[in-house]
Amino acid sequence: DGGITQSPKYLFRKEGQNVTLSCEQNLNHDAMYWYRQDPGQGLRLIYYSQIVNDFQKGDIAEGYSVSREKKESFPLTVTSAQKNPTAFYLCASSIDMSGYTEAFFGQGTRLTVV
Amino acid sequence: QKEVEQDPGPLSVPEGAIVSLNCTYSNSAFQYFMWYRQYSRKGPELLMYTYSSGNKEDGRFTAQVDKSSKYISLFIRDSQPSDSATYLCAPLTGTASKLTFGTGTRLQVTL
Repeated sequence: DGGITQSPKYLFRKEGQNVTLSCEQNLNHDAMYWYRQDPGQGLRLIYYSQIVNDFQKGDIAEGYSVSREKKESFPLTVTSAQKNPTAFYLCASSIDMSGYTEAFFGQGTRLTVV
Repeated sequence: QKEVEQDPGPLSVPEGAIVSLNCTYSNSAFQYFMWYRQYSRKGPELLMYTYSSGNKEDGRFTAQVDKSSKYISLFIRDSQPSDSATYLCAPLTGTASKLTFGTGTRLQVTL
């Protein structure tokens, strides 16, 4: 089955630690995205990538980092510089970013700082 | 001003009611208007989309766009408990567009 896989589903982080969220897609999509979802705030764009080895900051990139070494993979690292990392993180992909483009989402990772 | 504004709700309606969900936007370059549905603790899925102004119907769902007032609506007829979810609007310009979402409206359809 084609789709997007995020892991883990739940993640707990201690203060001061970096953690990496995994996102893999087998849809052969060029574009990939990371969103953060907080109650009452909708989806906010953290980073996006239009093609391998290229990525751009979204609206709330501070405290996060990404890489795009392979087309199918777009991991997100939440660094200790992110002051309020507890949230639901969603990864998405689309064929590209031109014209009409449907985004396909993973099932999300819920990150909690303990 | 946010690019996309949406009433977060929650909106509670009885089964069988007609539901109206709305968004306003500020960017006049938006051409495609998409609605995503998100069930609790799941990722969003595309429900339907329209291009430019006008209406589009898909079963019990109708999407409506009024570009002159920058207003987007999603109507659900004969609402069912299975429609209980968060509905997010997501307009696109159509050129190198990154997806921008509204806050989402949480809908609860009660028996």
